[in-house]
Amino acid sequence: EIVMTQSPATLSVSPGERATLSCRASQSVSSNLAWYQQKPGQAPRLLIYGASTRATGIPARFSGSGSGTEFTLTISSLQSEDFAVYYCQQYNNWLRRLTFGGGTKVEIK
Amino acid sequence: EVQLVESGGGLVQPGGSLRLSCAASGFTFSSYWMHWVRQAPGKGLVWVSRINSDGSSTSYADSVKGRFTISRDNAKNTLYLQMNSLRAEDTAVYYCARGEGAGPFDYWGQGTLVTVSS
Repeated sequence: EIVMTQSPATLSVSPGERATLSCRASQSVSSNLAWYQQKPGQAPRLLIYGASTRATGIPARFSGSGSGTEFTLTISSLQSEDFAVYYCQQYNNWLRRLTFGGGTKVEIK
Repeated sequence: EVQLVESGGGLVQPGGSLRLSCAASGFTFSSYWMHWVRQAPGKGLVWVSRINSDGSSTSYADSVKGRFTISRDNAKNTLYLQMNSLRAEDTAVYYCARGEGAGPFDYWGQGTLVTVSS
């Protein structure tokens, strides 16, 4: 099973500042990496797929980068609605099992 | 509008069974892979199972293999998860999600809570 490790577990950021979230895979997943946002009491929402492609309706302040085993989600200027938990997910091993990272909580500083 | 609506959750005793359903609308259900993902209270997302578009191929997380069965009825636009031999650690909100090909999950339901407790 491919293990996805996210860091940090919690990120304290002031509104308007930049947030950088990391995700590492235990083996290469090529660019088969997605990012999701989840707010309390809500279902996750797809933000980024293919490591760097924004999903429909996602603001340009969200960007993804990386390939292989190292990935980054950047939120360029945090808005109040961006405070949430973010998960990465690999779908490279789709014939068997998909895996999520443990999540990064972005909280107000 | 794409909609996924889960049902069937509830309180069940350890060792018991439950069947979850996910009613899909707003898209051609039979063209998409579907998944179940769960989230224990206060914890992260865990992929549980997936089924391909015609139901001929399935896959499971190790933690549920042999106890859970995913299936679908394309005529009824419905996804199922039969859960047997339930354990306390299966307590979670269960989400169904649509897979974009063999890739990411572009739509999610709102989830149904399963509580395993005596």
